[in-house]
Amino acid sequence: QKEVEQNSGPLSVPEGAIASLNCTYSDRGSQSFFWYRQYSGKSPELIMFIYSNGDKEDGRFTAQLNKASQYVSLLIRDSQPSDSATYLCAVNPQAGTALIFGKGTTLSVSS
Amino acid sequence: EAQVTQNPRYLITVTGKKLTVTCSQNMNHEYMSWYRQDPGLGLRQIYYSMNVEVTDKGDVPEGYKVSRKEKRNFPLILESPSPNQTSLYFCASSLTGGTGTDTQYFGPGTRLTVL
Repeated sequence: QKEVEQNSGPLSVPEGAIASLNCTYSDRGSQSFFWYRQYSGKSPELIMFIYSNGDKEDGRFTAQLNKASQYVSLLIRDSQPSDSATYLCAVNPQAGTALIFGKGTTLSVSS
Repeated sequence: EAQVTQNPRYLITVTGKKLTVTCSQNMNHEYMSWYRQDPGLGLRQIYYSMNVEVTDKGDVPEGYKVSRKEKRNFPLILESPSPNQTSLYFCASSLTGGTGTDTQYFGPGTRLTVL
């Protein structure tokens, strides 16, 4: 059974701080990794994808991938109250197969 | 505007009454998928389709049917709905099915209640 694990949270950080969201996956052969943000009652929206070991930066967001440890993370710098949402980690074991989602981590940024 | 649409957005029905939730995308995507989202269980894939006439089961296919007769449409059919199918349903599409540079677009969701 392929699994993606995330801490459910809530993760609470003050405005301006760095939020660190973590995700582990069970299928060592997984190829692509995604972070989605989901506001309450809304559909998930893609923030970032990563498929090579190391860091990938996009504005205030940095995704980190360590395939040896089967670990992917999302850092949000200068967190804003508008970042308060549930963050879903998703893994694609193989292109064209089912995308597997973690249960999500709820982030709360207080002003 | 590139989008995935779902209808209806909200539906209350009774056990055993067949229903269809429609999904349509205007991006010429090959890959389409249905998910259900439940508190504490996260987002779980029901069925997905790599292209017209090609469908495959996800994690929780029991009680659901799908068809892909046209590239743009991927309806979800509940032949005999039961209360345990009460959930928030999302349709999604992507160009090729989740490769590194592929973005999966989600529809707005359908909130289904089965009494």
